[in-house]
Amino acid sequence: GAVVSQHPSRVICKSGTSVKIECRSLDFQATTMFWYRQFPKQSLMLMATSNEGSKATYEQGVEKDKFLINHASLTLSTLTVTSAHPEDSSFYICSARDFRSAGTGELFFGEGSRLTVL
Amino acid sequence: EDKVVQSPLSLVVHEGDTVTLNCSYEVTNFRSLLWYKQEKKAPTFLFMLTSSGIEKKSGRLSSILDKKELSSILNITATQTGDSAIYLCAVALYMYSGGGADGLTFGKGTHLIIQP
Repeated sequence: GAVVSQHPSRVICKSGTSVKIECRSLDFQATTMFWYRQFPKQSLMLMATSNEGSKATYEQGVEKDKFLINHASLTLSTLTVTSAHPEDSSFYICSARDFRSAGTGELFFGEGSRLTVL
Repeated sequence: EDKVVQSPLSLVVHEGDTVTLNCSYEVTNFRSLLWYKQEKKAPTFLFMLTSSGIEKKSGRLSSILDKKELSSILNITATQTGDSAIYLCAVALYMYSGGGADGLTFGKGTHLIIQP
């Protein structure tokens, strides 16, 4: 089946540094990828929708200059948390839609990335 | 390797029908099982189940966890076209010895289509 790889799975960084998280579709082309943030015991919160070759669409309340999203190819989207602060510590998860099955609505999720900002 | 399996992967029924969606899991350090409904964007939370045999209900939706069988079902009665969505099952795990849940292991989802 379709596989979405997210890397790194865990990252610890100092406050003020930037962290990049990659989301790759390994065996399919993903025209659309979604980035979520999840706090403990809470549901996924959609941050942005990443479309290949165009600017990401951010949800209300999500700072686009803080969370930079790039979807440069049909198999890779990246989320960069710029000038990270402790409040950015969270679990980030991506999901991807297969270009071939876009009509089915099926989504494939990455494993998630745990960011801890010290 | 932790695994969550949902079935069926897709289902087409008529309005008014009752549907049962299945979720089974093989994980270590199970904490809870969650159901989400996803339409166009972010999955929306439906239920979180931690105790076996206790049914949770919300309107026409209900769900129950069977820890012995390592499974859960999501029932939808008197389905409506607005119920058409992808239903995601996910399992939360204890990842640290301190007991803090860390992330979710998702199933691939059931794509439910309700025809008028």
